[in-house]
Amino acid sequence: NAGVTQTPKFRVLKTGQSMTLLCAQDMNHEYMYWYRQDPGMGLRLIHYSVGEGTTAKGEVPDGYNVSRLKKQNFLLGLESAAPSQTSVYFCASARDSGNTIYFGEGSWLTVV
Amino acid sequence: GQSLEQPSEVTAVEGAIVQINCTYQTSGFYGLSWYQQHDGGAPTFLSYNALDGLEETGRFSSFLSRSDSYGYLLLQELQMKDSASYFCARGTDKLIFGTGTRLQVFP
Repeated sequence: NAGVTQTPKFRVLKTGQSMTLLCAQDMNHEYMYWYRQDPGMGLRLIHYSVGEGTTAKGEVPDGYNVSRLKKQNFLLGLESAAPSQTSVYFCASARDSGNTIYFGEGSWLTVV
Repeated sequence: GQSLEQPSEVTAVEGAIVQINCTYQTSGFYGLSWYQQHDGGAPTFLSYNALDGLEETGRFSSFLSRSDSYGYLLLQELQMKDSASYFCARGTDKLIFGTGTRLQVFP
C-alpha cells in the first residue's frame, strides 16, 4: 500500500543546476499538490493540480514548474536552483476538493 | 489572499486538555481541516469540519464557526506522543495551511 511516493528523498544541488522531483500516487486521486516547508515554518503551496493535464499556481510558485501528464504523477521542476530553495518538499494528493489529503514522506533538498 | 493564524506554541502536561485556535481571513464557506506533524515526519490528517459545529474523533475534537472565521482543535487526555506541530488548513482546490502550532506535552 504505497500511497504517495516521492523521489528522491535527499538531494544536494549546486546553484544554477536543474532537477525534477517526482511524486506518484496509487489511490486514483484527482488532486495533487506540492508544498515546501522551511525549518520551523508552515507548509506553503507551490503548485497544485485538479486533474490530469491541469496545473495551477499556489502561494509561492516562482522558480518552480510542474507537469501532470499522467493522473498518478505530479512532477516539480527547478530550472535554476537557488539557495533560497533549500527546503523540505512535500507532495500530497486528495480524492477531491475539501477532502482528506495524503502526504508523501518528503524530499530534503539542499542548494549550495 | 488567504491566511490562517494559529498560536506559535502551546505547552501542557500529560492528562490535560488543550485547545489550539485557528482564525482565518478569507471569504467563502469552506471547511476546515487539521493535520498533525511530528518532527522529521509528514503531516497526517486528524479531522475535517465541512459544516459549523463540533466533530469528535476519539481524544481529538474539532470545531468550526464559519460566521466567525474561527475554528479550534481540542486535544483531551494529553499524552507525550501528542507533542508535535498542528496545522489547520482550508480551501477547496487551493488548500492553504495555517502557520502551525507547536505543542509540547510535559510529564
